Amino acid sequence: GEDVEQSLFLSVREGDSSVINCTYTDSSSTYLYWYKQEPGAGLQLLTYIFSNMDMKQDQRLTVLLNKKDKHLSLRIADTQTGDSAIYFCAEIGALSGGYNKLIFGAGTRLAVHP
Amino acid sequence: NAGVTQTPKFRVLKTGQSMTLLCAQDMNHEYMYWYRQDPGMGLRLIHYSVGEGTTAKGEVPDGYNVSRLKKQNFLLGLESAAPSQTSVYFCASRLRLAGVDTQYFGPGTRLTVL
Repeated sequence: GEDVEQSLFLSVREGDSSVINCTYTDSSSTYLYWYKQEPGAGLQLLTYIFSNMDMKQDQRLTVLLNKKDKHLSLRIADTQTGDSAIYFCAEIGALSGGYNKLIFGAGTRLAVHP
Repeated sequence: NAGVTQTPKFRVLKTGQSMTLLCAQDMNHEYMYWYRQDPGMGLRLIHYSVGEGTTAKGEVPDGYNVSRLKKQNFLLGLESAAPSQTSVYFCASRLRLAGVDTQYFGPGTRLTVL
């Protein structure tokens, strides 16, 4: 079946690195995504990785993909208080009629403390 | 360019009452989605639409109806609200570019059913 799993909470000190982990089930997903939800707001696409890549770096963000283990991680370097949010991992799933949808994990709440 | 907007932002209903949540997008996207977000459960797809005049059921459609009479609007209706429908509701529209799906989310509607 389709399932995306994440740990629910992570607490880090300001300036440290944060690593948010995710496991997924559908190995046919072409892209895998990380969305960020700030308090009181909707989700925003943070970054994504093509399934043929094993790493993608974008400024303070590093995405690592281990296809064999179906494991995706998001590393935030030099974590700031503004990074406090809920982070969702997502993969592509199938809908009837040949359409697709995003399957989201439950979200990891990142708390950054001084 | 307002992106995706939702009205209302908050609503309290009594069991058995009805209401309609409105979602509007000004990006000319074909695909639109309604999700509900509950603690520890991530986002679950209620209904979706792949174009004007079309709608389809998602994972948790019971108790909800939708309409997409105009491309820019996607309405979610609750005919007879139940306490189990207390949730935060998000609308999203989708852009696919070079194979990458990006969903754009509204700010959400927080609904409480007493």
